[in-house]
Parts: sequence; structure tokens; C-alpha cells
Amino acid sequence: TQLLEQSPQFLSIQEGENLTVYCNSSSVFSSLQWYRQEPGEGPVLLVTVVTGGEVKKLKRLTFQFGDARKDSSLHITAAQPGDTGLYLCAGGMYGGATNKLIFGTGTLLAVQP
Amino acid sequence: NAGVMQNPRHLVRRRGQEARLRCSPMKGHSHVYWYRQLPEEGLKFMVYLQKENIIDESGMPKERFSAEFPKEGPSILRIQQVVRGDSAAYFCASSPSGTGRQYFGPGTRLTVL
Repeated sequence: TQLLEQSPQFLSIQEGENLTVYCNSSSVFSSLQWYRQEPGEGPVLLVTVVTGGEVKKLKRLTFQFGDARKDSSLHITAAQPGDTGLYLCAGGMYGGATNKLIFGTGTLLAVQP
Repeated sequence: NAGVMQNPRHLVRRRGQEARLRCSPMKGHSHVYWYRQLPEEGLKFMVYLQKENIIDESGMPKERFSAEFPKEGPSILRIQQVVRGDSAAYFCASSPSGTGRQYFGPGTRLTVL
């Protein structure tokens, strides 16, 4: 059974601080996605990384895929209240007769003004 | 460019009734996925479909649940004889090809009384 552990589970910080969320697994994934989910809504795709060691930047967000394609991190610089939400990593398992995402346990981020 | 559409957004059923959840993928997307988010749990894969074909249903409960993606019209997730444990948020996602880059709809919140 594939499992993606995220840490921390909860994070409450002040506006302007930096933070890092980790996503770890013992399984190798074809890709790694990061989503943000607001209450009552569906997950919104932030980024997809597919190559071991790949780093992608999206404004103040930096995403990294581990060299072995088993783990990933999300770093937010100078967090803002608008960054508040549930952050989910999701490992892609596809090829052959399957194509599915294995979701992490989630990190609930609250940025206080 | 409309995103993934799901309806209804909220559905209330009594035990024993049938629930039908609809999903229209993004334009140009021929791959559809259904995920379930139980209270206090993460998103779990249920089924992966392409037009007129079920590709992977490894996450579907063995009884009462079925899914289809006909040549014309939306994908349907059907739950027969609902029980209280079926109460959850059901999300549909679509992708243009069989990769991890999946885009989610807003979900259908099913409540079984």
C-alpha cells in the first residue's frame, strides 16, 4: 500500500514568515503534484514535477521533487494570509492499466495577519 | 474555458435510495477519475475511466457502486441503496492524457440520512 506522509499536519504562522512542508513516501512515483484545497471546494492544482531533483518556482512557492522520486517539499517565502488553506501532495501512479493519484495526509496552514 | 463541472453540489438521500453524481470533464479531456473524501480522511482514488471504458476500478467498493463515462454526456457515479457510511465528498477530476496532471471539480457533498 502506497502511503504519503505530510509534515507538519498543522502550521500556524505570522504573515511574512517562511515555511516548508514535507511529503515523504517509501514508494517511487511517476510524478508528484501539489494541490491547495479551500473548505467546501475541490483541490486546485499548483504544480506537477516529474523528474528526480526537479525544482519549480511559482511566485513565492518553491517545489522540489526528491532525487529518488519518493519525496517532495513545498517552501513558501514571506507567507501571506491568502496562502491559508489545506496543502495536499499527490503521487502519480500511471502507465499500463492504471492512472491514479495517491494523496498525502495534508498540511493545514493558517497565516495570521 | 470552463473547468471540471460536477452536479449536484449537495445531495441528500435517505438510506436505501440511489445517488447519481455527474461530472463533465474539461473541454478536450478524455480521462476521468473519481475520488472520495470521507470525513476526517484524505482523498482516496475510486475509479479511472476513458470514453466508454473503465480502465481501473481498484478503489471502488465491490457492491452498490458503479461508474460510467458514455460516448456522449457526462460521467456518472452511481451509488445504489445508500448507507450512512456513504456520506462523503465525491470529487471528479479530468486530464488530457493519462498522467498525474489531474484537474478537480468542486465536488458533490453526499449526506445520507
